[in-house]
Amino acid sequence: SQTIHQWPATLVQPVGSPLSLECTVEGTSNPNLYWYRQAAGRGLQLLFYSVGIGQISSEVPQNLSASRPQDRQFILSSKKLLLSDSGFYLCAWTTGLQNTEAFFGQGTRLTVV
Amino acid sequence: AQRVTQPEKLLSVFKGAPVELKCNYSYSGSPELFWYVQYSRQRLQLLLRHISRESIKGFTADLNKGETSFHLKKPFAQEEDSAMYYCALSGRWGAQKLVFGQGTRLTINP
Repeated sequence: SQTIHQWPATLVQPVGSPLSLECTVEGTSNPNLYWYRQAAGRGLQLLFYSVGIGQISSEVPQNLSASRPQDRQFILSSKKLLLSDSGFYLCAWTTGLQNTEAFFGQGTRLTVV
Repeated sequence: AQRVTQPEKLLSVFKGAPVELKCNYSYSGSPELFWYVQYSRQRLQLLLRHISRESIKGFTADLNKGETSFHLKKPFAQEEDSAMYYCALSGRWGAQKLVFGQGTRLTINP
């Protein structure tokens, strides 16, 4: 069966520090991978998605970047965090086929102080 | 542009009353539409998809291409339906972007 792991679950980082959130998928190959930010009143905002290794599409210009160094690994990064980067970050995957279901990780609560 | 709009952030109804969560979309191609639900302390999960034309937990949703809507309905609300609901859209042919609406928090009052 397929599973998705996202870590850490919570993270408190000072302003100006770097960020690295990792997401890995097991039990499938060549998944589509997604990073979302979930904020009250703004819903689920798509940040990045990837259809293959090294292929990243950015949806929202911001202080964050994403990378996909391996087929089933998706990393969300920042060189210098801002207070506005605080939020709840979700990783998800799909098979990329028509009408495919998206499977979500448990999320990371990031607080920038 | 690919966009999903859920006009109601909060919706509160009494148990046994009908429920309708609104979703409107904007997409130039053939859309694939979904409803996802997040119960308290659980992961976001698929509720239903338009292509299946199914009823899940008593919920149904019909795609209206003329009105570009995909409203979620249930004739008789139950307390366990209280959750956060998201409408989502992806393209059908080769488009891989999956976009969600702002979400509606549904509360069922006893």
